[in-house]
Amino acid sequence: EDQVTQSPEALRLQEGESSSLNCSYTVSGLRGLFWYRQDPGKGPEFLFTLYSAGEEKEKERLKATLTKKESFLHITAPKPEDSATYLCAVQANSGGYQKVTFGIGTKLQVIP
Amino acid sequence: GAVVSQHPSRVICKSGTSVKIECRSLDFQATTMFWYRQFPKKSLMLMATSNEGSKATYEQGVEKDKFLINHASLTLSTLTVTSAHPEDSSFYICSARDSFGGDRAYNSPLHFGNGTRLTVT
Repeated sequence: EDQVTQSPEALRLQEGESSSLNCSYTVSGLRGLFWYRQDPGKGPEFLFTLYSAGEEKEKERLKATLTKKESFLHITAPKPEDSATYLCAVQANSGGYQKVTFGIGTKLQVIP
Repeated sequence: GAVVSQHPSRVICKSGTSVKIECRSLDFQATTMFWYRQFPKKSLMLMATSNEGSKATYEQGVEKDKFLINHASLTLSTLTVTSAHPEDSSFYICSARDSFGGDRAYNSPLHFGNGTRLTVT
């Protein structure tokens, strides 16, 4: 069974204090790993897709990396507006169809 | 691009009534849409896969007669919660991917609506 584990569950940072969120996964036949940002009461907002180990993507203060077993979301010099829950999801071939499995997310709070 | 619109954002209904939630892809076409349910401090739970022009595929443990799904066009899927009960109160989110988005369309990311907060009294 595909599994996605995110850590930590919650993270509190001072503004400007860089850190990383972890997403470890166990799937057979990875077809893509996705990062989303979710604000309270809203649907997840797409951030990045990573398809193969070694791949990196960047957007403003966020950088996502991928290995064969895990992905990191690095946040450089975060601002209060980066506060949100960050979700990781993996897509794999399951029984002939593409299945997406989500982690429970990391709730990030950036304090001014 | 890749905007998914979901309505209503909030709905309160009485026990025993039915509620319909709409999910539209605004700037792309989707042969498949997905309906999720989200519980506090839990991962998104896939309820069913909505297939344009055919029957939806339900995940194990999800009652198909209670959660009716219709996907009548390439841009619209609806979820109807029938005979709602308080335990159906939850945050329901739809998603879709661009089915015609090029080489990696099949593995392209899901784009989500803003969810519907259902409260059954």
